[in-house]
Amino acid sequence: SQQGEEDPQALSIQEGENATMNCSYKTSINNLQWYRQNSGRGLVHLILIRSNEREKHSGRLRVTLDTSKKSSSLLITASRAADTASYFCATEGGAGGTSYGKLTFGQGTILTVHP
Amino acid sequence: DAGVTQSPTHLIKTRGQQVTLRCSPKSGHDTVSWYQQALGQGPQFIFQYYEEEERQRGNFPDRFSGHQFPNYSSELNVNALLLGDSALYLCASGRGATNEKLFFGSGTQLSVL
Repeated sequence: SQQGEEDPQALSIQEGENATMNCSYKTSINNLQWYRQNSGRGLVHLILIRSNEREKHSGRLRVTLDTSKKSSSLLITASRAADTASYFCATEGGAGGTSYGKLTFGQGTILTVHP
Repeated sequence: DAGVTQSPTHLIKTRGQQVTLRCSPKSGHDTVSWYQQALGQGPQFIFQYYEEEERQRGNFPDRFSGHQFPNYSSELNVNALLLGDSALYLCASGRGATNEKLFFGSGTQLSVL
């Protein structure tokens, strides 16, 4: 079963605009990660945020985590056509929980950046 | 430095057959996890192998089994294939039992006819 729900399911923007994707989850987590997938092939790790962190940056990426609302957001600033891909959030549960030791992925957001 | 490699890239089988998928982890990694991704869905965890043992298992039937070899490579076996087993099968490697920053292979696209 999918732990996370991502919103929106699809996002279409112009180059240079910012893209924001949201992820909600149901159980307590140890960390939350974002991955990117091009054309239904392998996933690429983008960024990880731990449960005791609220915000993290990596290049043009900004991730926030609100554990009280069980939600996260991924912001891609100044988007490029090459950012076109599917983006997935994935959670790993805390020790002792049923989701510990595995990643549970959301259904993903399809981002299209038009040149 | 080779990343995660999977073979074959594509496979076509018929219902009832058995299939074996292979994965070599990234150099320096000792943990291998397998995921199933249906079209338009996110990956679903099948199981994780660490130190040649199955450490965690997702909600998949016993028809799905695996193995990890001393060189850390891994196989996923699926018996009595069903049409619903058609999916992209992804292998991911990491260090230790952690799932932080997994490296994924390009996957094996399995079609069951």
